[in-house]
Amino acid sequence: AQSVSQHNHHVILSEAASLELGCNYSYGGTVNLFWYVQYPGQHLQLLLKYFSGDPLVKGIKGFEAEFIKSKFSFNLRKPSVQWSDTAEYFCAVIHSGNTGKLIFGQGTTLQVKP
Amino acid sequence: ETGVTQSPTHLIKTRGQQVTLRCSSQSGHNTVSWYQQALGQGPQFIFQYYREEENGRGNFPPRFSGLQFPNYSSELNVNALELDDSALYLCASSYPGTTYNEQFFGPGTRLTVL
Repeated sequence: AQSVSQHNHHVILSEAASLELGCNYSYGGTVNLFWYVQYPGQHLQLLLKYFSGDPLVKGIKGFEAEFIKSKFSFNLRKPSVQWSDTAEYFCAVIHSGNTGKLIFGQGTTLQVKP
Repeated sequence: ETGVTQSPTHLIKTRGQQVTLRCSSQSGHNTVSWYQQALGQGPQFIFQYYREEENGRGNFPPRFSGLQFPNYSSELNVNALELDDSALYLCASSYPGTTYNEQFFGPGTRLTVL
């Protein structure tokens, strides 16, 4: 079965530290890739997405992610985190042509200490 | 532009009861997807409705059913509730055919089954 794996369940960083959250998926066909964020008390919001083209995609709030097809990976990065980045982060995949079924990883809780 | 709304916010039921959750899609969106998010897990796809027809289903039993209405709002019904049905239920709307087919999530309904 197709799946998404997020390597880190809980990450604690100090402000200004760099962030990288790992994400791997297990499907060999064409995929569309997403990172969603869920701030405390808020609903899921899209951070960034990859559909085609440049494998390095930039999202909101200074986040970026790199799609490496050979590694089935889509890692999320931010050079310098802020306290306001404290949230839960979800990687998700849709198989191209299957427009409805987002497959999510189990999430990574990021805690940024001021 | 109105975002995705869900009702109720919270709900407490007992085992064996039935529950109906409601979702209003974002303006202009004709597709609604439902997800179940258990505590500490990523959302899991339940099913999707497009033009009032079920358009894809995840690995959930038939006691999970849904409806979509002509105004594209949707209901999720769960019969014979079990303790493991306790979760956050998320609704997401989208408009197929757009370049990115992005799903926009509502705030969710927190269901507790006692």
